[in-house]
Amino acid sequence: DAGVTQSPTHLIKTRGQQVTLRCSPKSGHDTVSWYQQALGQGPQFIFQYYEEEERQRGNFPDRFSGHQFPNYSSELNVNALLLGDSALYLCASSLKAERTGELFFGEGSRLTVL
Amino acid sequence: DAKTTQPPSMDCAEGRAANLPCNHSTISGNEYVYWYRQIHSQGPQYIIHGLKNNETNEMASLIITEDRKSSTLILPHATLRDTAVYYCIVRTMYNNNDMRFGAGTRLTVKP
Repeated sequence: DAGVTQSPTHLIKTRGQQVTLRCSPKSGHDTVSWYQQALGQGPQFIFQYYEEEERQRGNFPDRFSGHQFPNYSSELNVNALLLGDSALYLCASSLKAERTGELFFGEGSRLTVL
Repeated sequence: DAKTTQPPSMDCAEGRAANLPCNHSTISGNEYVYWYRQIHSQGPQYIIHGLKNNETNEMASLIITEDRKSSTLILPHATLRDTAVYYCIVRTMYNNNDMRFGAGTRLTVKP
């Protein structure tokens, strides 16, 4: 049973560019959340997708957008990249109906903006 | 959501119990206490959660005070592999699909 998978694992972009990160949730999960983790800090919640719609959003600008597909996989898009967007981007999945609070995280995509 | 306060860092000797405290003095009656940990270069990992009773699983024990204003995560026999950042999070059952992480406690297990 594959866990949460994210791609790419590492990538380098320059300021002003756009980036798309991908996440496949754990088998059977229907909810995907995205987090940004800057060096030395805890993960910060970006947004959550369920039933192909954004359900909750953290304190992130509109440059951050996402999508969820019918197979529950998800994408995170960041436009007009800034140096401060350099971080580890984590995806977490869960089954909304279970409400156990147990999220399963991927290994993350490390983005460097030059 | 109730705010949590954790010490920034702690050390523990290998083989000894690691006791990680968390203060959540403004916790509401319907909020649970969740613990996650993050080993270097990995995604966070769920450990345990509880409402008011003490809980134990194969990874750890969670002790919640009677007034629920604080809790302690106990790793009974810490190993070097338990070196990680430990996060205490308070959430209701209805919004526990997205965890809000603070700075956590960096636990270093020393040989």
